[in-house]
Amino acid sequence: AQTVTQSQPEMSVQEAETVTLSCTYDTSENNYYLFWYKQPPSRQMILVIRQEAYKQQNATENRFSVNFQKAAKSFSLKISDSQLGDTAMYFCAFMRNTGTASKLTFGTGTRLQVTL
Amino acid sequence: GAVVSQHPSWVICKSGTSVKIECRSLDFQATTMFWYRQFPKQSLMLMATSNEGSKATYEQGVEKDKFLINHASLTLSTLTVTSAHPEDSSFYICSAETGSYGYTFGSGTRLTVV
Repeated sequence: AQTVTQSQPEMSVQEAETVTLSCTYDTSENNYYLFWYKQPPSRQMILVIRQEAYKQQNATENRFSVNFQKAAKSFSLKISDSQLGDTAMYFCAFMRNTGTASKLTFGTGTRLQVTL
Repeated sequence: GAVVSQHPSWVICKSGTSVKIECRSLDFQATTMFWYRQFPKQSLMLMATSNEGSKATYEQGVEKDKFLINHASLTLSTLTVTSAHPEDSSFYICSAETGSYGYTFGSGTRLTVV
């Protein structure tokens, strides 16, 4: 079974600063996907970024980037130029690549507060 | 983009009654949908995987007779909480795979059983 660990229950960052959220996972699989999802107060789950395990290049989406270390089973999210709208719960998630739709295993989440 | 519409957004029901939650894929066909439960300030826990035209696959510890899932068409999956009790109060979220391992989520349903 896969497990996803987020060791930072809460974090705070000032507007325009950079923050990094940590995520580690445990799996015996070699082919999988990793995700970061954002859940704002509305509770709508929003995909932030996705990484395919077979790709060595770290994924980036505008101000969001990841540091994927496959050997260390680490998948951290860096948010640059933080904005007030980034305030949310952030969940790291793992999915096996089975060739069909597969379930997501979520970490416990990190609550990020962006302050003025 | 792909949208999953989830209704109702919130519901209050009396203990012992049943409640149905619907998830519709509006602009794509969802062969597979996932149902999650989220307690306050906690993570999403997968309850079951529903596949169009077949029986749902439930995660260990989830009572299939209490949480009935029906996925009768490629655009609609329903979760019925039967004989609801206060401990069933929670936030329920559905999700659908939209292709290329992308997932879109419904907006969630807050269920309160009184």
